[in-house]
Amino acid sequence: QVQLVESGGGVVQPGGSLRLSCAASGFSFSNYGMHWVRQAPGKGLEWMTFIRYDGTDKYYVDSVKGRFTISRDNSRSTLYLEMNRLRVEDTAVYYCAKDRAPGYSSSGNLDDWGQGTLVTVSS
Amino acid sequence: QSALTQPASVSGSPGQSITISCTGTSNDVGAHNYVSWYQQLPGKVPKLIISDVFHRPSGVSNRFSGSKSGNTASLTISGLQAEDEADYYCTSYTGTDTPWVFGGGTKVTVL
Repeated sequence: QVQLVESGGGVVQPGGSLRLSCAASGFSFSNYGMHWVRQAPGKGLEWMTFIRYDGTDKYYVDSVKGRFTISRDNSRSTLYLEMNRLRVEDTAVYYCAKDRAPGYSSSGNLDDWGQGTLVTVSS
Repeated sequence: QSALTQPASVSGSPGQSITISCTGTSNDVGAHNYVSWYQQLPGKVPKLIISDVFHRPSGVSNRFSGSKSGNTASLTISGLQAEDEADYYCTSYTGTDTPWVFGGGTKVTVL
């Protein structure tokens, strides 16, 4: 079955950097777009970024544009999120999630989620 | 892009039906049939329960149903059960360079 396993979270100071990874298995990773969604402690879900199946297109929420970069390595079935200039308000559990639609389509229907990795930005 | 508007909480007794609204604009909910709903049980990962306004993924109970009218999408839970206590989130495609936005979430309580 589909498995998504995030790693790389931790405690970082404001202004610092962190790189999250999401190892995928159980499906043809290179055929699906992937998302990152975050959830601040006790708060709701926030869609953050999406990358197409082949990495050609990337989209970001305004609050992370210019600071975060999504990427993927289809040969390793791994999704990444490079986070720079981190702020206290970036503290959250970060989930990677698979888009339900294969190929170029991006349905926004996230049918499989990882367990999440906690990022804490604090001095 | 502003978050979609959901009521903070909705409650009902076992067996009753409840409806959660998700209000957007003519640019997102009103313009596209790409509204999804997620259930997040306490301490758990979100789960897709409705896709593309009203489609139910395989394995999701038929007590969950989705609909849309104008700029407002709705999730109805019929035959409410204790196990339905959770947070529910809607999301919509926006057609902009920030393609998706979530609602603020609704906490469902079974009385």
